[in-house]
Amino acid sequence: GDSVTQMEGPVTLSEEAFLTINCTYTATGYPSLFWYVQYPGEGLQLLLKATKADDKGSNKGFEATYRKETTSFHLEKGSVQVSDSAVYFCALRGDSGYSTLTFGKGTMLLVSP
Amino acid sequence: NAGVTQTPKFRILKIGQSMTLQCTQDMNHNYMYWYRQDPGMGLKLIYYSVGAGITDKGEVPNGYNVSRSTTEDFPLRLELAAPSQTSVYFCASSSPQNEQFFGPGTRLTVL
Repeated sequence: GDSVTQMEGPVTLSEEAFLTINCTYTATGYPSLFWYVQYPGEGLQLLLKATKADDKGSNKGFEATYRKETTSFHLEKGSVQVSDSAVYFCALRGDSGYSTLTFGKGTMLLVSP
Repeated sequence: NAGVTQTPKFRILKIGQSMTLQCTQDMNHNYMYWYRQDPGMGLKLIYYSVGAGITDKGEVPNGYNVSRSTTEDFPLRLELAAPSQTSVYFCASSSPQNEQFFGPGTRLTVL
């Protein structure tokens, strides 16, 4: 079945540091890939997505490129802020079925001033 | 638009009690989902629905039931609460092949 593997956290950075959170996946066919963010005490919000190979999703300074050859969708940001502290989830949606998502375990990011 | 709303926000149950977690969306989405989130484990799909009157099991359906009598509502029922059901429950909705919108969650503790 489909699966998503994320790097374990927490990831602890100082403000303005460069961020990478690794995500790799296993799926048949051509899944769509997502990054969701969960701020403390809240539900998940879509951060960015990519629906086909070599697509780059971007939002709020975050980027991720869909790499089919390495089955990866790593999240990056050039300069993190304290307000980026949250849990980040990588997810995939298979290309068949009913739009259900398979999530990674989540990576907590802590940014200090 | 309120989006996806869930009630209650918090609940403590005793073992063997039952309860219903409510979920309502006002975006006219056909698809609705229930997930549970356990620490360090990501989100696991419990049940989903592709329209009124249609429901199907996800990855972890045991101990839960759902119904979908209207497009807007998708309640999740726990009949005999067990400590293993202590978790945070999220409801989500989407239109086909589009992003899922999540509610704020219900934190449930079973003692």
